[in-house]
Amino acid sequence: NAGVMQNPRHLVRRRGQEARLRCSPVKGHSHVYWYRQLPEEGLKFMVYLQKENIIDESGMPKERFSAEFPKEGPSILRIQQVVRGDSAAYFCASSPDIGWKTEAFFGQGTRLTVV
Amino acid sequence: RKEVEQDPGPFNVPEGATVAFNCTYSNSASQSFFWYRQDCRKEPKLLMSVYSSGNEDGRFTAQLNRASQYISLLIRDSKLSDSATYLCVVIVGNFNKFYFGSGTKLNVKP
Repeated sequence: NAGVMQNPRHLVRRRGQEARLRCSPVKGHSHVYWYRQLPEEGLKFMVYLQKENIIDESGMPKERFSAEFPKEGPSILRIQQVVRGDSAAYFCASSPDIGWKTEAFFGQGTRLTVV
Repeated sequence: RKEVEQDPGPFNVPEGATVAFNCTYSNSASQSFFWYRQDCRKEPKLLMSVYSSGNEDGRFTAQLNRASQYISLLIRDSKLSDSATYLCVVIVGNFNKFYFGSGTKLNVKP
């Protein structure tokens, strides 16, 4: 019974390259959330998706960042033309569609380093 | 104004001490409340849900005050292993959107 799986765990990219972060939610979960955590800071909400739909992307930077959660396959967070400031831990969480009293389960995160 | 606010700490306490954290939320339509724990460089994990009637799990007690819009976490008889960052989480609105506080850091010292 696998939990939320994120890969890669560590990703190094040069400035200007693209980063693709993958998140497979808990089986049966239809809600996916992406968060960013800078060193020594708290979790910052980026985007909330349900299958094939972006519900809330109010935390996503306007440029270079995009997210999807296709009908089949993992959710992808894509960062184009990465810059040093994108270096952070990116956590994905998923939750089931069973009403209010539901918890979010987190993946172990992808640590992105831009050099 | 942030949806969820927490004192970042750190709270430095000796083993065996009792420590309490508060967290305030801004949206009166908030529906569900949780405390998560995050160890250094690891993913957050659910510590406990917070119910209107309050709930207790061993040394941990969570309370919700809807009138003043805050939740609290009380840790009794602190252990070294309690050292972590404690995140307050609120679900608001019609969608399952989780709002996280920035976390309160706890250091329990021998």
